Amino acid sequence: NAGVTQTPKFQVLKTGQSMTLQCAQDMNHEYMSWYRQDPGMGLRLIHYSVGAGITDQGEVPNGYNVSRSTTEDFPLRLLSAAPSQTSVYFCASTIGTGEGNTIYFGEGSWLTVV
Amino acid sequence: DQQVKQNSPSLSVQEGRISILNCDYTNSMFDYFLWYKKYPAEGPTFLISISSIKDKNEDGRFTVFLNKSAKHLSLHIVPSQPGDSAVYFCAAYSGGSNYKLTFGKGTLLTVNP
Repeated sequence: NAGVTQTPKFQVLKTGQSMTLQCAQDMNHEYMSWYRQDPGMGLRLIHYSVGAGITDQGEVPNGYNVSRSTTEDFPLRLLSAAPSQTSVYFCASTIGTGEGNTIYFGEGSWLTVV
Repeated sequence: DQQVKQNSPSLSVQEGRISILNCDYTNSMFDYFLWYKKYPAEGPTFLISISSIKDKNEDGRFTVFLNKSAKHLSLHIVPSQPGDSAVYFCAAYSGGSNYKLTFGKGTLLTVNP
């Protein structure tokens, strides 16, 4: 998990509140992604970015916004939190595509929406 | 529609024995496969990977086998150690898009002393 920092680690939100999960990496990685993990499920891709200013949707993008104004940062925004967004969120980054490029994950952000 | 399946939610083995974790996939476009290990309250950590042009990759105690015709891969851990106890995720991607991983649901491995 070296080099990918997620904040906050834990957060409780009320339904309808907004918040931003922060993700920063100091490895000059072009590619960054957000995943969520729910009980009994694998990680599912929310949004990803292939470079500053470029983002796209993954498998489960509804209810989330992202932006990539710098190479280092890739925040995930919940505009109006819903109980279905209670999950563990992981940010990941990699320097390049293809084989041999390690994908680093952050330690996770635990979000509860009540 | 799950494209990467890990059908065993859990596996328990004795220390020193072999652990075999299985993974099946349905998307024939996947050309690279990875195994991640995850401890509670931590992010996934890369373990080992294999390209679709190979059928085996070895790294110390860990070996991954790929059977493309069966769309099946397995992770062998020999010998198993108590520190190996964790959730293991199989993941895959296609066309070099390593920023868009598709994960299985994971298998909880418990290695008993």
